[in-house]
Amino acid sequence: DAGITQSPRHKVTETGTPVTLRCHQTENHRYMYWYRQDPGHGLRLIHYSYGVKDTDKGEVSDGYSVSRSKTEDFLLTLESATSSQTSVYFCAISDKRESYEQYFGPGTRLTVT
Amino acid sequence: DQQVKQNSPSLSVQEGRISILNCDYTNSMFDYFLWYKKYPAEGPTFLISISSIKDKNEDGRFTVFLNKSAKHLSLHIVPSQPGDSAVYFCAAFTSGTYKYIFGTGTRLKVLA
Repeated sequence: DAGITQSPRHKVTETGTPVTLRCHQTENHRYMYWYRQDPGHGLRLIHYSYGVKDTDKGEVSDGYSVSRSKTEDFLLTLESATSSQTSVYFCAISDKRESYEQYFGPGTRLTVT
Repeated sequence: DQQVKQNSPSLSVQEGRISILNCDYTNSMFDYFLWYKKYPAEGPTFLISISSIKDKNEDGRFTVFLNKSAKHLSLHIVPSQPGDSAVYFCAAFTSGTYKYIFGTGTRLKVLA
């Protein structure tokens, strides 16, 4: 299994509070991604990174920001959480030097009350 | 605009029979397609992939077929086993952007 961890695994927070989710990899893969999974929507890309300090938006980036200060860590921040951001969040990594496969972390279940 | 569509939310198949999961796409610029399997409370795991220059790729019980003219791909599982019960996502990849676009998933249930 690819070495990807996500923290926290579960979080309950109140509307309006900031939240940061962390993705950590030990594979030295160049590309890192944040997705959210919601019923009826599958996996939707929030942001992704193609290198340290290099990030770009996905299809559902509003209300989210990311940072990648080193290869192994990719942080997803909800500046002011809303109930619509209640979801399961997955981090993924890939590196075309190996293949086009993506490896996913175990997920973070976030509930915004 | 859903670029990758899985129109069947669920599928039930008897153990030992063939499972066929379908996926349609709209963007002809996709150059790689992948299938993932997801169990509850776990992250998706890679299953099989196919390059846009191929029309078939096989790995054990799993075969993916690509019909570029119809912008359609399918995943065949033969024979189906109860352990195959999961949600299956197809995904399309563009090497220019390095983005993956996922379908909404199909829940497969293999009945013993």
